[in-house]
Amino acid sequence: DAKTTQPPSMDCAEGRAANLPCNHSTISGNEYVYWYRQIHSQGPQYIIHGLKNNETNEMASLIITEDRKSSTLILPHATLRDTAVYYCIVRGYSGAGSYQLTFGKGTKLSVIP
Amino acid sequence: GAGVSQSPSNKVTEKGKDVELRCDPISGHTALYWYRQRLGQGLEFLIYFQGNSAPDKSGLPSDRFSAERTGESVSTLTIQRTQQEDSAVYLCASSLARAVYEQYFGPGTRLTVT
Repeated sequence: DAKTTQPPSMDCAEGRAANLPCNHSTISGNEYVYWYRQIHSQGPQYIIHGLKNNETNEMASLIITEDRKSSTLILPHATLRDTAVYYCIVRGYSGAGSYQLTFGKGTKLSVIP
Repeated sequence: GAGVSQSPSNKVTEKGKDVELRCDPISGHTALYWYRQRLGQGLEFLIYFQGNSAPDKSGLPSDRFSAERTGESVSTLTIQRTQQEDSAVYLCASSLARAVYEQYFGPGTRLTVT
């Protein structure tokens, strides 16, 4: 699976958009980009995923560059409850144990009042 | 709709005792996963169930750990003769068979072995 690189931390003012970047320059054609987050003392939470088109759901938007080497997760109106560690992962559907989720260090997003 | 539920939310046990942790997946999710997360650490895969297929037990750390799942419903994770190093949050997740990376997690069971 492709490796991802994320900034270790970011701050965002409450009510503003939070833009979380992720680099995945070695992504291959059949690999998807997934985003999860983990709020303190809670289990991980699936947010969104995409292959090459931009995606939007009730939680966030995912913008993937045309060359697919990077992506940005956008929380349009960040609230204090969005303070969490955000994980970007790239996964394909081949190989033994490919369903196992493993997270890197992620980006700790702090939403400031 | 109802999410993944786990019980108990907290469990304190003495070293050497057996514990049983329960997971109720989202209805219709054929895939079920158990993970362990030690304080400040990442996810550690334990076991994976998919429908009626043989489970992938490759992540179980020792033979003191076992898990069962009845059909496509409840799963139990059993730890026998608990040790202090078993202290962690045990997380259960479920997903549709065709969406194994869209895993929906329960709140976890915090296990403390004294």
